[in-house]
Amino acid sequence: GAVVSQHPSWVICKSGTSVKIECRSLDFQATTMFWYRQFPKQSLMLMATSNEGSKATYEQGVEKDKFLINHASLTLSTLTVTSAHPEDSSFYICSASGGYGYTFGSGTRLTVV
Amino acid sequence: GQNIDQPTEMTATEGAIVQINCTYQTSGFNGLFWYQQHAGEAPTFLSYNVLDGLEEKGRFSSFLSRSKGYSYLLLKELQMKDSASYLCAVRDGNKLVFGAGTILRVKS
Repeated sequence: GAVVSQHPSWVICKSGTSVKIECRSLDFQATTMFWYRQFPKQSLMLMATSNEGSKATYEQGVEKDKFLINHASLTLSTLTVTSAHPEDSSFYICSASGGYGYTFGSGTRLTVV
Repeated sequence: GQNIDQPTEMTATEGAIVQINCTYQTSGFNGLFWYQQHAGEAPTFLSYNVLDGLEEKGRFSSFLSRSKGYSYLLLKELQMKDSASYLCAVRDGNKLVFGAGTILRVKS
């Protein structure tokens, strides 16, 4: 079946630094990848949609200069949280679309101290 | 606007049947998904409905009524491992819009 690998699974960083999260589709080509953020006991909130080779489309209220998304190939998308602050601490999940379904990565727990 | 409603929490007994409802009002509709999510993990796919009616898959069934903007997930023969959050998600265009999720607690 379709597999999406997301790394790292958890990261702790200092306030003001940047963190990069990778999302790879291992056995299929993902023309579209989605990035979500999930706070404790809340649902997944879509942050942005990225298509291979083009700029990401950000949801309303998401700062595109703070959450940099790159989708350079059909199997890799990255999310960089720049100048992270404690309020950015959250669970970040990517999802890749291939065919009609969506396959989710295992998530990244980001803690900013 | 996008509005997807689910009950916040439900409790059921091991071996029983539970129905989790989802109502939606979205600008577009290309299908409805149900996912299971354990705490700290990624969602796992349970079911997909795009036409009205019931889809059955083992212990899990999902129903859709597009005219009513309504779906439910039915879990039979509940097991302790079914304790999790259940997410209803509507596909609008090519993106998924999630409800807040229903936390299901299965007790022995």
